[in-house]
Amino acid sequence: GQQVMQIPQYQHVQEGEDFTTYCNSSTTLSNIQWYKQRPGGHPVFLIQLVKSGEVKKQKRLTFQFGEAKKNSSLHITATQTTDVGTYFCAGPQGGSEKLVFGKGTKLTVNP
Amino acid sequence: NAGVTQTPKFQVLKTGQSMTLQCAQDMNHEYMSWYRQDPGMGLRLIHYSVGAGITDQGEVPNGYNVSRSTTEDFPLRLLSAAPSQTSVYFCASSYQLADYNEQFFGPGTRLTVL
Repeated sequence: GQQVMQIPQYQHVQEGEDFTTYCNSSTTLSNIQWYKQRPGGHPVFLIQLVKSGEVKKQKRLTFQFGEAKKNSSLHITATQTTDVGTYFCAGPQGGSEKLVFGKGTKLTVNP
Repeated sequence: NAGVTQTPKFQVLKTGQSMTLQCAQDMNHEYMSWYRQDPGMGLRLIHYSVGAGITDQGEVPNGYNVSRSTTEDFPLRLLSAAPSQTSVYFCASSYQLADYNEQFFGPGTRLTVL
């Protein structure tokens, strides 16, 4: 079945540094979603990308969807301690109603 | 709106016991799902439902049963708990997956099986 792979698994940065997490699918995705989970919390939806090559920004967060719709990235500029958490990508398994999540990237920020 | 609610928040079971994790949503969402989250494993789909009376298996369905008799409720049943089922369980809901499909997650149930 479809796999959604995310790298890196962990990332530790100094406050103010940039951060990027990458998501790769073994098959073409109709859309991709990104979620953030704070420590001890539940996943919270950040954004959905649908179009090939799409780029969306939310303040310091930039989301990209690859031209082939098989990869995506989340980039955070000038990280803050409030960015701490685990970031997940997720995509519908081709032809089904199953939403498959990557294993996530856990971000820690040193103040 | 309460959103997605889950009960209980914490549960400790002994091996072999059965229990039901409750999930309810008040957003009239058609799509509901159950995930388990284990360290380093991300979120793995257990079962999902596209509407009342319709359920299907996810990635890791063994040892779990579900039913969807109403739009609002989607309980997850553990038939005979095993230590391997120690995990954090999240219920989620959304409009149909094919459309704009932001998943709303409940607060989770932390289950320990001894």
